[in-house]
Amino acid sequence: QQPVQSPQAVILREGEDAVINCSSSKALYSVHWYRQKHGEAPVFLMILLKGGEQKGHEKISASFNEKKQQSSLYLTASQLSYSGTYFCGTVGGSSNTGKLIFGQGTTLQVKP
Amino acid sequence: NAGVTQTPKFQVLKTGQSMTLQCAQDMNHEYMSWYRQDPGMGLRLIHYSVGAGITDQGEVPNGYNVSRSTTEDFPLRLLSAAPSQTSVYFCASSSPRDGFGELFFGEGSRLTVL
Repeated sequence: QQPVQSPQAVILREGEDAVINCSSSKALYSVHWYRQKHGEAPVFLMILLKGGEQKGHEKISASFNEKKQQSSLYLTASQLSYSGTYFCGTVGGSSNTGKLIFGQGTTLQVKP
Repeated sequence: NAGVTQTPKFQVLKTGQSMTLQCAQDMNHEYMSWYRQDPGMGLRLIHYSVGAGITDQGEVPNGYNVSRSTTEDFPLRLLSAAPSQTSVYFCASSSPRDGFGELFFGEGSRLTVL
């Protein structure tokens, strides 16, 4: 089942912060976050596993509440380069099955 | 390393024609997937594979076939193209060995069905 992202769109000024949320109705093994710029392929940002491990870029932070099956991506001191569409993806169950389902995306626009 | 390579990058088909989108990876990844992305939409999983000889359906498998005879290649076949299959198709690969399974995407194949 597709995870649900909120908000659908965000407009920021440079230097402002944003939080993007992702929720699922099923138990999750992992939550992925990717950013996609127009006309390009998605780029990896962060993966969070049940149990607390995570892997990602230093300047990106995220959380994963296993009990609520929710994850949040925190974008602080936003830069123009942060603009794009952010997707969360989830793998259900107790292990990496390879079946990664993406949410509908959150469009972020950072203005000067 | 080339990473994930998709061909062709652009293709125009007529309704009813068949074609194969090619995907190859050189990272020795066990897992491979095909997604489609319609304008303003998210990525929807078509088919995925966890190894040579093993494939499974994703969210939107109808109208598409896949096979995985080698670790490197995962072609996507459209048997009888329909206008509803106009989309951008992304192939991705990952490895479960580190427990994380970060996806590496190809550049995408833009398909138009007239």
